[in-house]
Amino acid sequence: AQSVTQPDIHITVSEGASLELRCNYSYGATPYLFWYVQSPGQGLQLLLKYFSGDTLVQGIKGFEAEFKRSQSSFNLRKPSVHWSDAAEYFCAVGTGNQFYFGTGTSLTVIP
Amino acid sequence: DAGVIQSPRHEVTEMGQEVTLRCKPISGHNSLFWYRQTMMRGLELLIYFNNNVPIDDSGMPEDRFSAKMPNASFSTLKIQPSEPRDSAVYFCASSRFWGETQYFGPGTRLLVL
Repeated sequence: AQSVTQPDIHITVSEGASLELRCNYSYGATPYLFWYVQSPGQGLQLLLKYFSGDTLVQGIKGFEAEFKRSQSSFNLRKPSVHWSDAAEYFCAVGTGNQFYFGTGTSLTVIP
Repeated sequence: DAGVIQSPRHEVTEMGQEVTLRCKPISGHNSLFWYRQTMMRGLELLIYFNNNVPIDDSGMPEDRFSAKMPNASFSTLKIQPSEPRDSAVYFCASSRFWGETQYFGPGTRLLVL
């Protein structure tokens, strides 16, 4: 069965530090891959997506993600975190007629 | 563009009552999605429409749930009768077509007492 795993429920980083959020998926073929961010009380906003081509994808707000087929991973990175990045981050996989979201990683940014 | 519009933003109802959630997708988008978000189960896709036609409703939890899309600019998600375990945030999202970027509405926070 298809699945999306975000192993880190909660991460705390200092402002200015680098960030990596992990995402692993289980699917036979290469799915469509997405990262969304959700601020409290808000809907989800797309950060970036991967369909094909270059495995390093640039997104909004300075985020990037790298697709690694051999590891079935699509980790999200940011070189320097800002306090406004504190939010919930969701990895998602689109396959066939279905979308699967990970359980999310909550990011806290400390001054 | 106003983005995806959902109404109501909050709904409090009593068990057994009918609840109707509404969604207006972004103009020109051909795909519409209904999601449910809870602490226990995270974000779940309930149903998705393409060109107003339901394509996959395998995520709809029970027969108490139904969704319609009578035209390209309006969709409803109905729960009848509602139960306390239906309490959640329900999101509507739309995209130009399936696989493209989904744009989410602000959600409807439902509380069933």
